[in-house]
Amino acid sequence: KQEVTQIPAALSVPEGENLVLNCSFTDSAIYNLQWFRQDPGKGLTSLLLIQSSQREQTSGRLNASLDKSSGRSTLYIAASQPGDSATYLCAVPTSGTYKYIFGTGTRLKVLA
Amino acid sequence: GAGVSQSPSNKVTEKGKDVELRCDPISGHTALYWYRQRLGQGLEFLIYFQGNSAPDKSGLPSDRFSAERTGESVSTLTIQRTQQEDSAVYLCASSPDRAGGELFFGEGSRLTVL
Repeated sequence: KQEVTQIPAALSVPEGENLVLNCSFTDSAIYNLQWFRQDPGKGLTSLLLIQSSQREQTSGRLNASLDKSSGRSTLYIAASQPGDSATYLCAVPTSGTYKYIFGTGTRLKVLA
Repeated sequence: GAGVSQSPSNKVTEKGKDVELRCDPISGHTALYWYRQRLGQGLEFLIYFQGNSAPDKSGLPSDRFSAERTGESVSTLTIQRTQQEDSAVYLCASSPDRAGGELFFGEGSRLTVL
């Protein structure tokens, strides 16, 4: 059974800092891993999708890496801004199915 | 459409009533998912549709919950005899036709059961 854990659960930082958010999963036989952000009262916005054959993906100030063998992914946010404040979630499909399992998220607050 | 569309955005109902929530996926997306998110909690998988295959209903919490999808279009999630613990945001996502494709979410339907 796939289990997804995100650390830390919450993070508060001053503007301009570089951040690392962690996601770990128990079943490494995954097709891909996806990172999302969720603003309060809103749906989820896709940030990055890493296929199982890839080691990282980049979009603007965001960089996500994937290490399947160790069951870990890292989301790196460079030069954080107050607009980055949100909850960040990672999701992986359960092995043998297309059922995505979500972590409980990291609640990020970037202070101006 | 341009994105995943869900309706209603908000629904308040009395305990014991039935409710229907609708999801209109991105055109051409064959996979469709329903998730539930209780206040302050993570996302719980409910059901998954892929094309004309039998849906994966393994996440439905009780037989009061059911969902249908016509072909590769609209899906309806029905909750019968609603209970207060059904209060949550119900999120729908769609994905292109490949295993583990990128998920795109709607804004959700917030259900409050009084």
